[in-house]
Amino acid sequence: DTAVSQTPKYLVTQMGNDKSIKCEQNLGHDTMYWYKQDSKKFLKIMFSYNNKELIINETVPNRFSPKSPDKAHLNLHINSLELGDSAVYFCASSRRTSSSGANVLTFGAGSRLTVL
Amino acid sequence: DAKTTQPNSMESNEEEPVHLPCNHSTISGTDYIHWYRQLPSQGPEYVIHGLTSNVNNRMASLAIAEDRKSSTLILHRATLRDAAVYYCILFGSSNTGKLIFGQGTTLQVKP
Repeated sequence: DTAVSQTPKYLVTQMGNDKSIKCEQNLGHDTMYWYKQDSKKFLKIMFSYNNKELIINETVPNRFSPKSPDKAHLNLHINSLELGDSAVYFCASSRRTSSSGANVLTFGAGSRLTVL
Repeated sequence: DAKTTQPNSMESNEEEPVHLPCNHSTISGTDYIHWYRQLPSQGPEYVIHGLTSNVNNRMASLAIAEDRKSSTLILHRATLRDAAVYYCILFGSSNTGKLIFGQGTTLQVKP
């Protein structure tokens, strides 16, 4: 009964490959997010979707493309992987839209991507 | 974006209270003060949040200064499982609705 689940947990791949990370939440939340945590442990927001609509799009290379088939799923597809894409990617969800200060996020366990 | 300032690290003894400080002098009137923590090899976990009044829940207490320019997260009895990075975050209009994580405070709990 995991609230926010991500697959795969670990992903090792070669430079230039295309890969996807999937995220699903069973909390009935309307808003979902992708965060990236680099080797220095800084967490940065990448994208946010509300009811399948993109509402936050940070300065992220266009090789990263989020896709939300429904409000319970937010997948992250990465084209032409580079060494610098190695990081832990966290999916999160919340009941309210991101503009509400009372918003509480629930995070997944993370997907560690290693690009060789 | 409104910023928070936290000590890089703190130590505590097991079963003693821990007070984690946070300064946020540029907080705006609509910003909520949130605390999250990240245990080793896990995703961030919500701890508590408040706007003006002190808040209590089963995990911790949040004490907010009257001028709202600082706050303190209180763990009443630290356990070894509370060793984590604790993030104090302002969430609201001053951060354009984004939960922006800073460096946080790494809490070590000694047995």
